[in-house]
Amino acid sequence: KAGVTQTPRYLIKTRGQQVTLSCSPISGHRSVSWYQQTPGQGLQFLFEYFSETQRNKGNFPGRFSGRQFSNSRSEMNVSTLELGDSALYLCASSPLSASSSYEQYFGPGTRLTVT
Amino acid sequence: GEDVEQSLFLSVREGDSSVINCTYTDSSSTYLYWYKQEPGAGLQLLTYIFSNMDMKQDQRLTVLLNKKDKHLSLRIADTQTGDSAIYFCAEKSTGRRALTFGSGTRLQVQP
Repeated sequence: KAGVTQTPRYLIKTRGQQVTLSCSPISGHRSVSWYQQTPGQGLQFLFEYFSETQRNKGNFPGRFSGRQFSNSRSEMNVSTLELGDSALYLCASSPLSASSSYEQYFGPGTRLTVT
Repeated sequence: GEDVEQSLFLSVREGDSSVINCTYTDSSSTYLYWYKQEPGAGLQLLTYIFSNMDMKQDQRLTVLLNKKDKHLSLRIADTQTGDSAIYFCAEKSTGRRALTFGSGTRLQVQP
């Protein structure tokens, strides 16, 4: 099976702009979660989508949003970019079957740099 | 809230065993995970353990869980230079699907 794919891999944006990141989960996985990784804050949970609905949300401002499509692909959007949004954004997919252990499989990430 | 702590750095010689430790605070943790991150890459799931287990072995990896002390460890036998990476401990608690991660332990393997 192909792994989790994320596009683009690298992105440079200017303060005030907005950005959209894309994630395709492992085939058959219906849950997609997003995490932000920075040197200072480590790995922090952004949100999780399952069946096109946001199920969980982390402690991030409303500038961070996402959505999931019927094929389980997900996008996250950050509006009005700030310098502090520079980070590695990781997407993870999970099978979420009744017998699963809720393990999450991560993609390679999108490195966002805000200048 | 939930908290997961790890030591920052571990250095071992090639061929030795490595033991990476993790403590967590959430008593409702159901699953605990170990991930590996190499430079410029995402997180690779290495192994996980259900909270009602004490030990899990998977080839060179052994996970030990002391639920009473909320202590998790990952032992890597016959450590190789390719094992050099950052290792993250993570936990999932009841009712939440988000994982809470530790800050990561950088493992340096010296030839």
